[in-house]
Amino acid sequence: EPEVTQTPSHQVTQMGQEVILRCVPISNHLYFYWYRQILGQKVEFLVSFYNNEISEKSEIFDDQFSVERPDGSNFTLKIRSTKLEDSAMYFCASSRVASYGYTFGSGTRLTVV
Amino acid sequence: DQQVKQNSPSLSVQEGRISILNCDYTNSMFDYFLWYKKYPAEGPTFLISISSIKDKNEDGRFTVFLNKSAKHLSLHIVPSQPGDSAVYFCAASAGSGNTPLVFGKGTRLSVIA
Repeated sequence: EPEVTQTPSHQVTQMGQEVILRCVPISNHLYFYWYRQILGQKVEFLVSFYNNEISEKSEIFDDQFSVERPDGSNFTLKIRSTKLEDSAMYFCASSRVASYGYTFGSGTRLTVV
Repeated sequence: DQQVKQNSPSLSVQEGRISILNCDYTNSMFDYFLWYKKYPAEGPTFLISISSIKDKNEDGRFTVFLNKSAKHLSLHIVPSQPGDSAVYFCAASAGSGNTPLVFGKGTRLSVIA
């Protein structure tokens, strides 16, 4: 069964450093998403991406965040200058049709120290 | 601003009995609802969905009920099995265009043998 692959599974970084979280969505999917879950809290929407541009973003997704699909297969989330409160599980998801049938990756646990 | 609410953070059920997980929503524009299941160290996996034109959808042991007037949906699992122990997330979408899913905080289900 096709999967969404995320790397790394765990990333530890110092506050103020830049991190890039990587995702390989399912190949025939057209819509891509990043969500995050701070420990014990809900899964929160960050950004959606379609047709090589951001289609929607939440208020969490400020100027410190950016997304890119550099080569037609990878989908990356960059956090420019990490803060302690960025520590969370970050989930990538993709879907063939908007909003329906998301497939999530296993997540990247980001720990900012 | 919690548009999707799962008010029970946890639920324990005996094996073989029925598990009922509840979800309330506030946004009347939501017209598509999903349940996701999440095991530790894995991403959420799609379980079952329902469109607002229906009030019930069944898939094996899993049934989702939608009460639009009450803005309430529930997931019934019967009979419950130990392997069903996981966190269950309710999600909703307005469905039009690239509207991202909005998740609840999740309910941790423990099925006791």
